[in-house]
Amino acid sequence: RKEVEQDPGPFNVPEGATVAFNCTYSNSASQSFFWYRQDCRKEPKLLMSVYSSGNEDGRFTAQLNRASQYISLLIRDSKLSDSATYLCVVNKGTGGSYIPTFGRGTSLIVHP
Amino acid sequence: NAGVTQTPKFQVLKTGQSMTLQCAQDMNHEYMSWYRQDPGMGLRLIHYSVGAGITDQGEVPNGYNVSRSTTEDFPLRLLSAAPSQTSVYFCASSYSGTGGLSQYFGPGTRLLVL
Repeated sequence: RKEVEQDPGPFNVPEGATVAFNCTYSNSASQSFFWYRQDCRKEPKLLMSVYSSGNEDGRFTAQLNRASQYISLLIRDSKLSDSATYLCVVNKGTGGSYIPTFGRGTSLIVHP
Repeated sequence: NAGVTQTPKFQVLKTGQSMTLQCAQDMNHEYMSWYRQDPGMGLRLIHYSVGAGITDQGEVPNGYNVSRSTTEDFPLRLLSAAPSQTSVYFCASSYSGTGGLSQYFGPGTRLLVL
């Protein structure tokens, strides 16, 4: 089983739709979790951190379920500009020495 | 702030040649790392450094060397290029606070090995 797994998609949704992605991880010792966004032929950019209590940033909501070992990203009121690949990242390690593992990404296409 | 810069943007090498990919950051981050990204494979960690003078191997270190003599710079050396090293290489830096590791990436270097 891969350490971090994502459904590659693509998720093809109309503008204004709500879409959710999940990311499962296998290492229960994982310490911290993030979502990144990557546009075609560009570098990944941090979208948001994921906390156990859940966190929201505008139209984006991220949640962590440690018991079931997955994180999720919910996008409400999708915009054309949300079209991108969404990468989940799971970090293990402590004391400033973290080992990040990236999922392969989920592709989102928002159409008019 | 320039953030994370990488040079060159593109490079074509012949099998067996060596080269150094440059990476620099001006955010005074302790943690720096190198990744390669291949189609369908996602980002894979090559090497990382938690501070000047300290480096360690990631998931796919074979064929690559790194050093970290300053906080700002973290070059990646390809010792003898092979076609399997054709990829997009990203350098990243981060402040590894208690919240973990939120990384800032450079624009990438696209490498083709013939």
